[in-house]
Amino acid sequence: GNSVTQMEGPVTLSEEAFLTINCTYTATGYPSLFWYVQYPGEGLQLLLKATKADDKGSNKGFEATYRKETTSFHLEKGSVQVSDSAVYFCALRGTGGFKTIFGAGTRLFVKA
Amino acid sequence: EAQVTQNPRYLITVTGKKLTVTCSQNMNHEYMSWYRQDPGLGLRQIYYSMNVEVTDKGDVPEGYKVSRKEKRNFPLILESPSPNQTSLYFCASSLWGTGGGSYNEQFFGPGTRLTVL
Repeated sequence: GNSVTQMEGPVTLSEEAFLTINCTYTATGYPSLFWYVQYPGEGLQLLLKATKADDKGSNKGFEATYRKETTSFHLEKGSVQVSDSAVYFCALRGTGGFKTIFGAGTRLFVKA
Repeated sequence: EAQVTQNPRYLITVTGKKLTVTCSQNMNHEYMSWYRQDPGLGLRQIYYSMNVEVTDKGDVPEGYKVSRKEKRNFPLILESPSPNQTSLYFCASSLWGTGGGSYNEQFFGPGTRLTVL
């Protein structure tokens, strides 16, 4: 079956540091890939997505590229801010969109 | 405002006492789903629905029931809750076209924290 593996956290960075959160997947068919962010006490909200190989999703300075050859969808940001502190989830929505598989989540702390 | 609402937000109950968590969305979405979030496990899908009267099991359906009698509502029913169902529950919705819904983002409710003693 489909699966998503995400790097374990927590990740602690200083403001303006470079961020990478690794995400790899296994899937059959043609899934779409998503990054969701969860701020304390809130539900998840979409950060970015990519629906086919080589697509790059981007939003709020975050980027991720759907790499079919390495089955990866790593999240990057060039300069993090304290307000980026949150839990980040990589997710795979399978062909047809019936089921979604989430990674375990990576907690990010950004220090001023 | 487009949103997914859940009630209650917090619930403490005892083993075996039936409960229902409600979920409602105002975006006219065809697809709705329930997830539970547990530390170290991320979110796991319980049940989903592609439209009224159409539901199917996710990865962890045991001990849960759902119904979809109206497009906007998708309640989660625990007929005999047990302590291992203590968790944070999220409802989500998304568009669903004739070609499916793989491309569409899901919109999440604020969560329901359930404790079963």
